Amino acid sequence: AQKITQTQPGMFVQEKEAVTLDCTYDTSDPSYGLFWYKQPSSGEMIFLIYQGSYDQQNATEGRYSLNFQKARKSANLVISASQLGDSAMYFCAMREPDSSASKIIFGSGTRLSIRP
Amino acid sequence: SAVISQKPSRDICQRGTSLTIQCQVDSQVTMMFWYRQQPGQSLTLIATANQGSEATYESGFVIDKFPISRPNLTFSTLTVSNMSPEDSSIYLCSVVGTSNEQFFGPGTRLTVL
Repeated sequence: AQKITQTQPGMFVQEKEAVTLDCTYDTSDPSYGLFWYKQPSSGEMIFLIYQGSYDQQNATEGRYSLNFQKARKSANLVISASQLGDSAMYFCAMREPDSSASKIIFGSGTRLSIRP
Repeated sequence: SAVISQKPSRDICQRGTSLTIQCQVDSQVTMMFWYRQQPGQSLTLIATANQGSEATYESGFVIDKFPISRPNLTFSTLTVSNMSPEDSSIYLCSVVGTSNEQFFGPGTRLTVL
């Protein structure tokens, strides 16, 4: 069974500092995809970044980067130079392909609060 | 990226009634997914909807409670039937992008009184 673990229910970070949100996963399939989403108070799920298990380099999207450590089954999200607008829930998720559908499962989330 | 719209964006319903949520995508997609997010919780997959076939439901979700339609490759509906307060959640539809990303609609925030 696949599993996603986010061990930080909440984090407070000073504006302009970098922040790392932790995510570990468990799967027996060699082919999988890892995602991070941001959910502001409005409720929408905003796609941030994707990392495939066979990708050689860590994914980056602007201020977001994914620190992919395959042997440790870790996929931490790094946000550089945090901004007040980064305050939101952040979810790590994983897709494991199967014969019927490539569905994704989510971790429990981390609530990030940026202090001015 | 796929542009996904949902209707309604929010609703307040009486228990025992049903609500149908619509999801429209700006491009043709093979699979559409419906998720539920209960208050303070993470997202849980309800079912996968393929065009031309019955939806595939996850454990704990049944067709009588959450019937799904998928009439074409850009549209799907999810009905929440015989609602109770426990059905109060955000319901989101989702599709897979061309580069394996997965995108979500803006969600439907449902409150059942």
